[in-house]
Amino acid sequence: QVQLVESGGGVVQPGRSLRLSCAASGFTFSSHPMHWVRQAPGKGLDWVAVISEDGTNRYYADSVKGRFSISRDNSNNTVFLQMNGLRSDDTAVYFCARDRGYGGNPFDHWGQGTLVTVSS
Amino acid sequence: DIQMTQSPSSLSASVGDRVTITCRASQTISTYVNWYQVTPGKAPKLLIFSASILQTGVPARFSGSGSGTDFTLSISSLQPEDFATYYCQQSYSTPTFTFGQGTKVEIK
Repeated sequence: QVQLVESGGGVVQPGRSLRLSCAASGFTFSSHPMHWVRQAPGKGLDWVAVISEDGTNRYYADSVKGRFSISRDNSNNTVFLQMNGLRSDDTAVYFCARDRGYGGNPFDHWGQGTLVTVSS
Repeated sequence: DIQMTQSPSSLSASVGDRVTITCRASQTISTYVNWYQVTPGKAPKLLIFSASILQTGVPARFSGSGSGTDFTLSISSLQPEDFATYYCQQSYSTPTFTFGQGTKVEIK
């Protein structure tokens, strides 16, 4: 079955960097765009970034553009989120999600998330 | 940017009740709306895609409707496991996406 497992979260000081990973299994990873979505404490879902199947196209929410970078390793079925210049408002649970890739592009499978806390 | 406005932001209901959540888009988006269920500590779950198509494995008590700017998610008979927060999402402006602010369904 499809599994997405995020890792790499933790407590980090403002201005520092953190790299999240999402290990995928149970499907043909290289056939699907992949997303990162976050949820700040007590807040709603907030789309962060997407990467195309082959990694050539990447798009970001305005709130993270220029600070975050999404990448993927199709040989190891993993998607990454490099987060630089972290701010307190980046504190959130970060989810990776699989894009079905057609028919309205729903996010049909999600991981359980990894918590990032930005605090001095 | 396309904004998605959900209402209500929260509601209280009893097991067996019918519940309806609405989502309005800031511009016409055809049927490019998906609905998700989020329960604390669990992976978010896709319920409905393309406004009205039930995702495989989702109980038939969930249904979606709408097109253009106005969309609804309905639960015909609320079950204990349905107490959660529900989000609409527009996928019209792909590759960027927007979620509604969420509707929390609580036990009355």
